[in-house]
Order: sequence, then C-alpha cells, then structure tokens
Amino acid sequence: ETGVTQTPRHLVMGMTNKKSLKCEQHLGHNAMYWYKQSAKKPLELMFVYSLEERVENNSVPSRFSPECPNSSHLFLHLHTLQPEDSALYLCASSQDGPGRLAGNEQFFGPGTRLTVL
Amino acid sequence: GENVEQHPSTLSVQEGDSAVIKCTYSDSASNYFPWYKQELGKGPQLIIDIRSNVGEKKDQRIAVTLNKTAKHFSLHITETQPEDSAVYFCAASDGLVFGAGTILRVKS
Repeated sequence: ETGVTQTPRHLVMGMTNKKSLKCEQHLGHNAMYWYKQSAKKPLELMFVYSLEERVENNSVPSRFSPECPNSSHLFLHLHTLQPEDSALYLCASSQDGPGRLAGNEQFFGPGTRLTVL
Repeated sequence: GENVEQHPSTLSVQEGDSAVIKCTYSDSASNYFPWYKQELGKGPQLIIDIRSNVGEKKDQRIAVTLNKTAKHFSLHITETQPEDSAVYFCAASDGLVFGAGTILRVKS
C-alpha cells in the first residue's frame, strides 16, 4: 500500500453521464496530482494542486473538472466524455508541490480504469 | 512543451543479466530525475532518483547515471530477477514529465 487510495477502481460510463473519481492520501502530503495513462503513451499530467490551490493545468478539456476540498482529498469530475478519454486515471501525492528547485517523490494510487462507451 | 524520450520500449533479458534503460530530456532546467516501476494493476512506485548535483547513485542492484551536459540519464539493473519484470518509467522537469515506459521481461 502506498498510502494513496482511489475509488472506484473501474468505471464504465456513457458519453452523456456525469461521474466523479475520488482520491485520498493518508501521508500528510501537501500536493496532489491527476495523471492520465493511455496505452503506449507517457503519463500525461492533468492537474496539480499544492496546499489546495491549483498550480498547474496542462490544457485539459473542460469536460474534466478537478476539485480539491482539502489537502487529503482530490476529485475529478467527469461529464460528456468521449471514447478517447478511456484510460487509466492515476492520482498521486507528494510532500511538497512542484517548483524549479524542488522535485520530490510522488506516491501513486492504483488508478481508476475508465471506459467511455 | 518539454518532453522525455525513453528507449527501448521493450527489453527482454535472461535472469542474471543486466538491463539498461536510457532517457533523454529537453528541459535544461530539470534538476530531479526519478525512475518508477509499475507492476500490473498498480500505480508507479519510485525505485531510485537522482538530482542534478550528482552524477551517479546506486542502491543495491539498481543504479542511475546522469549526464546533464548531454541531457540524458540511464537506469542500470544488475543480476536481474523474474520479479524485476514490470514497466519502468523515467521522468524529468521536476519529475512531472514522463517517458513512454519500457516493458522489461526477465526470462528464467
């Protein structure tokens, strides 16, 4: 166990559905991340929160909406997704947020396998 | 944007042999270079990392080398074992930009 949990582990949804992914970290970290992992592609950073404030958004479509109510919880709200959004969505946390002199170990959850029909 | 190239995409070795995975990066301001191992059904897990003020770091059978001038770094696994079979990812740019991964298969 890495100290980062994600629910649900699997999710199948239609293009008109609205669903949410949940992530919780039990490590006392200050930063949390959402990544998208597609087959044969690099992990794609989607969102970064540091001390509950969004610090990075890598031009993600608005059909993905993150929420970080406190330093231990992170959500990814999904609506009107496309089939190409099917992927493994990974949540991670780290002690400190990203910065030019920083860089620290990220602890990943097991991911949510999302299928959009 | 910044990118990281990782090679090879797949690597098969015989148990006991060494494995080497290489990455090159574009962000000259990168100072932190982690390597992650991902097993089936799990998220990536850090196995070793190196910062730009160090050229080499070793932890038992695993070592990482960094050449900042050439902007490349490598993972070296010696005396490979079947349990080393997994997908390995490198990262740069404060550990936020990842390579595409290397599937390592260790044949016993």
